[in-house]
Amino acid sequence: SQQGEEDPQALSIQEGENATMNCSYKTSINNLQWYRQNSGRGLVHLILIRSNEREKHSGRLRVTLDTSKKSSSLLITASRAADTASYFCATVSGNTPLVFGKGTRLSVIA
Amino acid sequence: DAGVIQSPRHEVTEMGQEVTLRCKPISGHNSLFWYRQTMMRGLELLIYFNNNVPIDDSGMPEDRFSAKMPNASFSTLKIQPSEPRDSAVYFCASSLDGTSGRFQYFGPGTRLLVL
Repeated sequence: SQQGEEDPQALSIQEGENATMNCSYKTSINNLQWYRQNSGRGLVHLILIRSNEREKHSGRLRVTLDTSKKSSSLLITASRAADTASYFCATVSGNTPLVFGKGTRLSVIA
Repeated sequence: DAGVIQSPRHEVTEMGQEVTLRCKPISGHNSLFWYRQTMMRGLELLIYFNNNVPIDDSGMPEDRFSAKMPNASFSTLKIQPSEPRDSAVYFCASSLDGTSGRFQYFGPGTRLLVL
């Protein structure tokens, strides 16, 4: 069964706008990771946030984690056409490997 | 660093044929994962290995699927006999430790079409 569920399933924005994607999960986690997948490519890791962290930044990316609500969000600021991709959250619980959600498809229109 | 290498990149075969997908993980990584991705089911974990030993194959759809990791630098996923519903993109990924929560590094995938 899939642990993470991304919302929305698809998102279309103009270049320069911010994009926010959400992820909800069901059980307690060790950490949560976000990945990007460009069309026809493998997934690439973006950022990891541990269960005792609330916010993390990496360049134009900001990730938040609310363990009480079992949710995380990924914010991409000042989006670019090159950010067009699918974004996945993945959770780590106990001794099990990553469990991926179905992803959010982001389209950034120039 | 060459990253995770998969071959072939594309495979077209006829129903009933045997298909073998290959993966070379990043040197030094001791965990290897095989995933299948389709529009309908998303990204599914099929099987993963730690130190060349299969740890969990509960995601393997049925007995037609088998995976091996004879050494730390090579793994295969075999489908015999193949069926049209096996058409998907198959990814291999590796990491330093599969269950410690480290990042996984994905290969480019093998796009399989079974006619």
